[in-house]
Amino acid sequence: QMQLQESGPGLVKPSGTLAVTCAVSSDVVSDRYWWSWVRQAPGKGLEWIGEIQYSGVRTNYNPSLKSRASISLDKSDNKFSLRLTSVTAADTAVYYCTRAKFPAPFDLWGQGTLLSVSS
Amino acid sequence: DIQMTQSPSILAASVGDRVTITCRASQSISSWLAWYQQKPGKAPELLIYKASILQSGVPSRFSGSGSGTEFTLTITSLQLEDFATYYCQQYDNNRTFGQGTKVEIK
Repeated sequence: QMQLQESGPGLVKPSGTLAVTCAVSSDVVSDRYWWSWVRQAPGKGLEWIGEIQYSGVRTNYNPSLKSRASISLDKSDNKFSLRLTSVTAADTAVYYCTRAKFPAPFDLWGQGTLLSVSS
Repeated sequence: DIQMTQSPSILAASVGDRVTITCRASQSISSWLAWYQQKPGKAPELLIYKASILQSGVPSRFSGSGSGTEFTLTITSLQLEDFATYYCQQYDNNRTFGQGTKVEIK
């Protein structure tokens, strides 16, 4: 069964760039899924950040984060990544990677990785 | 943007109770609505999709209904393992989550 595993630096400095990667456990990152990032600030609810299509060409973003977020797909390495620029303490959260068909909900999630923004 | 509003934010209930959570969309999303359960320190898990279809493996005490802008999640005979936070999510236009409903022990 496919599994998703996030990895990231743990700590990012304010005004810096946050980068987190999701490894897909099988060679099906190009299957007809949309690959998403969702985050959850401490004690808060879930926030969808954005998604990338299996082709690696099409992306959609949460309008509130669109100017700072970028999602990419590496088919050869079975992973997809999120970059978030100009981070502040408000970007401190657990970042989850997840997948969905279209139109469909998220049916598989990674365990999440905590990224803290602090000097 | 489509906004999703859940109510209540917190619900205190006892084992065996029937529990209903409401989710409202700011515009029609047809039946493109999902419900998730999240326990502390864990990733969310899909319970229901397309407003009323139970995900494989989810107990039948969970049910969903609604279409357009009004949706409900019902748990009949609440069990100890059901105390958690529940989120609705629309996937009609991009994706948006409700703010969550925490079901706690009365």
